[in-house]
Amino acid sequence: EVQLVESGGRLVQPGWSLRLSCAASGFTFSNYAMNWVRQAPGKGLEWVSYINSRSGFIYYADSVKGRFTVSRDNAKSSLYLQMNSLRAEDTAVYYCARDHIDYGDLDYWGQGTLVTVSS
Amino acid sequence: DIQMTQSPSTLSASVGDRVTITCRASQSISSWLAWYQQKPGKAPKLLIYKASTLESGVPSRFSGSGSGTEFTLTISSLQPDDFATYYCQQYNSYPRTFGQGTKLEIK
Repeated sequence: EVQLVESGGRLVQPGWSLRLSCAASGFTFSNYAMNWVRQAPGKGLEWVSYINSRSGFIYYADSVKGRFTVSRDNAKSSLYLQMNSLRAEDTAVYYCARDHIDYGDLDYWGQGTLVTVSS
Repeated sequence: DIQMTQSPSTLSASVGDRVTITCRASQSISSWLAWYQQKPGKAPKLLIYKASTLESGVPSRFSGSGSGTEFTLTISSLQPDDFATYYCQQYNSYPRTFGQGTKLEIK
């Protein structure tokens, strides 16, 4: 069974940094591209970042470019999101999601981890 | 960036109704479109990919159509479990973008 479990979300102050993790199991992690998607309270979904299976192609939403860094450790079947210079508007539930093996739809999602940026 | 616009934003319907949600892209995305269902407090669930391919395990009352810039998600006969928020997402280019969502409510 495919499982994605995010962790690391918590309350932080503006300007702080935070690192999110996503532990994958039930599939060959190294074969799949991965994404981070976020959802602010009461709002819609916002795609945040993509990393391909070998970390050779990485993309970000303009809203996080230069502040967030996505990475992965295939040996540990783990995905990461390093978030720096956090702002109030980064407050959201952050989901990791697996890319379909052949297409760019997101076929499995984790349960999400809440990041709250507030003073 | 490609903008995705869903309509309507809210839809009230009854069990057994046939409903259609529309998603328009600001430029052609071929068939690189997915539909997701999200219930409160839960992660989104993939329903349709490549515009019209039903994800494994998704009931056949869900269907998708369209290509280019206009797409639709149709639920042929609403069931109680279908009341949720639906999102389209394009994956033709980066940044990948979602529609703003359509909340399907019980009439």
